Amino acid sequence: TQLLEQSPQFLSIQEGENLTVYCNSSSVFSSLQWYRQEPGEGPVLLVTVVTGGEVKKLKRLTFQFGDARKDSSLHITAAQPGDTGHYLCAGDTGTASKLTFGTGTRLQVTL
Amino acid sequence: DTAVSQTPKYLVTQMGNDKSIKCEQNLGHDTMYWYKQDSKKFLKIMFSYNNKELIINETVPNRFSPKSPDKAHLNLHINSLELGDSAVYFCASSQGISGRGGQYFGPGTRLLVL
Repeated sequence: TQLLEQSPQFLSIQEGENLTVYCNSSSVFSSLQWYRQEPGEGPVLLVTVVTGGEVKKLKRLTFQFGDARKDSSLHITAAQPGDTGHYLCAGDTGTASKLTFGTGTRLQVTL
Repeated sequence: DTAVSQTPKYLVTQMGNDKSIKCEQNLGHDTMYWYKQDSKKFLKIMFSYNNKELIINETVPNRFSPKSPDKAHLNLHINSLELGDSAVYFCASSQGISGRGGQYFGPGTRLLVL
């Protein structure tokens, strides 16, 4: 069973701070996705990274896929209250449509 | 405009009852999923259908029976509900079975078994 461990599990920071969320596994993934889930809603896809070492930017969010395609990170610059939510990484093993979701990181950004 | 919709949003029922959750997507996707999210927010795949054919069944008790009448719908019927079935159930869809294009989730159905 592939496991995706996210760290930290919970992060509470003030507006303007930077943060990094990590997603680690011992398994190799064909691609890795990041989702954000807000209270009472379903996860929403933020980005997909495919190539080892790939870096993608989405405004203040920077996503990186590890060279060996076993891990990923999400860095948020100058966090804002609107970034508050539950962040999930999900690995695609290439096996028919199966995504393995990470353990999740709950982020709270306060004024 | 809703891409993936689920009904009902909330479901409170007694142990032993049978209930169904409906899911519809208007994205034209050919693959649909059911996930269970527990109280710790861990999201686990239950079933996946591609063009109405079951392709993933993740060791789910056979009290859970998915049904896909067409590509746009995937319903979940649960027999003899147990306390441990209380969770949030999410329907999702994607185009193709590679998983690479990302999945689109519904708003969830909050099931509470008393």
